[in-house]
Amino acid sequence: GAVVSQHPSWVICKSGTSVKIECRSLDFQATTMFWYRQFPKQSLMLMATSNEGSKATYEQGVEKDKFLINHASLTLSTLTVTSAHPEDSSFYICSARDRISGNTIYFGEGSWLTVV
Amino acid sequence: GENVEQHPSTLSVQEGDSAVIKCTYSDSASNYFPWYKQELGKRPQLIIDIRSNVGEKKDQRIAVTLNKTAKHFSLHITETQPEDSAVYFCAARLYNQGGKLIFGQGTELSVKP
Repeated sequence: GAVVSQHPSWVICKSGTSVKIECRSLDFQATTMFWYRQFPKQSLMLMATSNEGSKATYEQGVEKDKFLINHASLTLSTLTVTSAHPEDSSFYICSARDRISGNTIYFGEGSWLTVV
Repeated sequence: GENVEQHPSTLSVQEGDSAVIKCTYSDSASNYFPWYKQELGKRPQLIIDIRSNVGEKKDQRIAVTLNKTAKHFSLHITETQPEDSAVYFCAARLYNQGGKLIFGQGTELSVKP
């Protein structure tokens, strides 16, 4: 089946620095990808919709200047957490839909971010 | 926007019993309802899904029912096994919103041997 790869799987960074997470669709093209954040023992909260070749659409309450999303190609979306703070520590996970196969939505493996 | 409510938040059953998890959604334009199983620190795994033009779908020990009028859908797991223990999430997707999913709060299922 289709695969979505996310990198890195875990990262530790210092407060004030930025960290980039990549989401790749390996065997299909994804004009749209989605970024979620999941705090421990909580649900997946949609942060933004990443659109290939255009600006991302952010959900209410998500700071677009803090969470920069770039969707430069049909197989790659990146999420950059800028000026990270400890409260940004979370599990970040992306997803993409393979339009050819229909409704199936594939998730990346997720990225654990710890800000110290 | 769409809002998905999921109950219960925790569920404990004996091995072999059935487990039922219920979700309601707010937007009648939602047309696709997947259920995911997530183990700690891992990606959600799709276990079953249902479209709005279908009332029920079954896959071995797992079934999902959908009541469009009431805007609720349920996951049924029969003959539960300890390996079914995990967190389960329901989700809803609005018509014409691509792969954008809104998730329920999750249910932590514990199957005791």
